[in-house]
Amino acid sequence: NAGVMQNPRHLVRRRGQEARLRCSPMKGHSHVYWYRQLPEEGLKFMVYLQKENIIDESGMPKERFSAEFPKEGPSILRIQQVVRGDSAAYFCASSSLRTGEFAGELFFGEGSRLTVL
Amino acid sequence: DQQVKQNSPSLSVQEGRISILNCDYTNSMFDYFLWYKKYPAEGPTFLISISSIKDKNEDGRFTVFLNKSAKHLSLHIVPSQPGDSAVYFCAASADNNNDMRFGAGTRLTVKP
Repeated sequence: NAGVMQNPRHLVRRRGQEARLRCSPMKGHSHVYWYRQLPEEGLKFMVYLQKENIIDESGMPKERFSAEFPKEGPSILRIQQVVRGDSAAYFCASSSLRTGEFAGELFFGEGSRLTVL
Repeated sequence: DQQVKQNSPSLSVQEGRISILNCDYTNSMFDYFLWYKKYPAEGPTFLISISSIKDKNEDGRFTVFLNKSAKHLSLHIVPSQPGDSAVYFCAASADNNNDMRFGAGTRLTVKP
């Protein structure tokens, strides 16, 4: 499967635990984006990364949330000390180009659904 | 700050008829617009796009119209088919931004 791969598809955590969501972009893509979808809401931009660099994290909460895209391996979205309000679907997308250099579009993974008990 | 708005959360049409999904935006810097389609438990998939230098783009049964002066775009699906039933997201991006802004989505139901 050459598409964007996200895992786990479903994750259940208790309040105060840590959640780690992983995303492997499409082959050849070096731009990764994380979006969050709360129930009954649209997709909200969180962070944009290239290999080993965070380019724009303006949509990410300042506390408890962090993201990385190491030289080797998948991109990881990490949520520390989860709270019930973190329950959402987290989508990763990848692109071969920066969004402002469009010849195409973002390719999305199937999402990771986080439930905080 | 919702820069992309889809004011209709749902739309129901009869098979064979036209579906019209609407989207409004507030940021005049947006210059590229896209529609994504999402089935339950799946990620959004790209459907069709339009650049701000155009006012219409057509791909088979799907046509997107852009009215820059009104900051409005619409997606027309004709004829609508039951398989088109999904949530449709409008998205917009600007050359000087790193993020793509999405609307809240419109759930389209096409009845046989």
